[in-house]
Amino acid sequence: EAGVAQSPRYKIIEKRQSVAFWCNPISGHATLYWYQQILGQGPKLLIQFQNNGVVDDSQLPKDRFSAERLKGVDSTLKIQPAKLEDSAVYLCASSLARYEQYFGPGTRLTVT
Amino acid sequence: SQQGEEDPQALSIQEGENATMNCSYKTSINNLQWYRQNSGRGLVHLILIRSNEREKHSGRLRVTLDTSKKSSSLLITASRAADTASYFCATDEGGSEKLVFGKGTKLTVNP
Repeated sequence: EAGVAQSPRYKIIEKRQSVAFWCNPISGHATLYWYQQILGQGPKLLIQFQNNGVVDDSQLPKDRFSAERLKGVDSTLKIQPAKLEDSAVYLCASSLARYEQYFGPGTRLTVT
Repeated sequence: SQQGEEDPQALSIQEGENATMNCSYKTSINNLQWYRQNSGRGLVHLILIRSNEREKHSGRLRVTLDTSKKSSSLLITASRAADTASYFCATDEGGSEKLVFGKGTKLTVNP
């Protein structure tokens, strides 16, 4: 079974630029999550999708972050404009059963 | 917000020794999970313990849960160099599907 795929793996941008991350969940997983993990901390949930509907986006900075999940499969997370404090690893996860989440390798973003 | 707090923040042991990590949390939970994260990679689910369970085993892993103290421990027995990673506890906030992670314990197992 293929795991959660994410791209790119690394991205370096200057502040005020925009960036987009892509996630392909495990086939059949209805729930998809985006997390932000700042160095030295645990992952923090940004947004949760159930199929292509948003379940929880309470911690998503909506003035600069946006996410969509087209056709209930792939998802993209966008930051526009980026700030220095957005430097982090962005993790995508998917789940079929409640509670057990499968994580992708993450995208490491550096904002200079 | 981060619900779980792991202790210690870092732990260095020799191969073959046991490693114990602790997690404390703040609100009521339905379950608590432990994840492992190798350097530069995603998280891997290790074990889930429900609020009505006190202890659970999986291979070399033993997890305990004390809901009265709002704490959990993860014991890795007979550690190996390959166990070197960061370990995170995660709880469901108020019983929702939302996972709230702690800051993690960085374990180094020296060969």
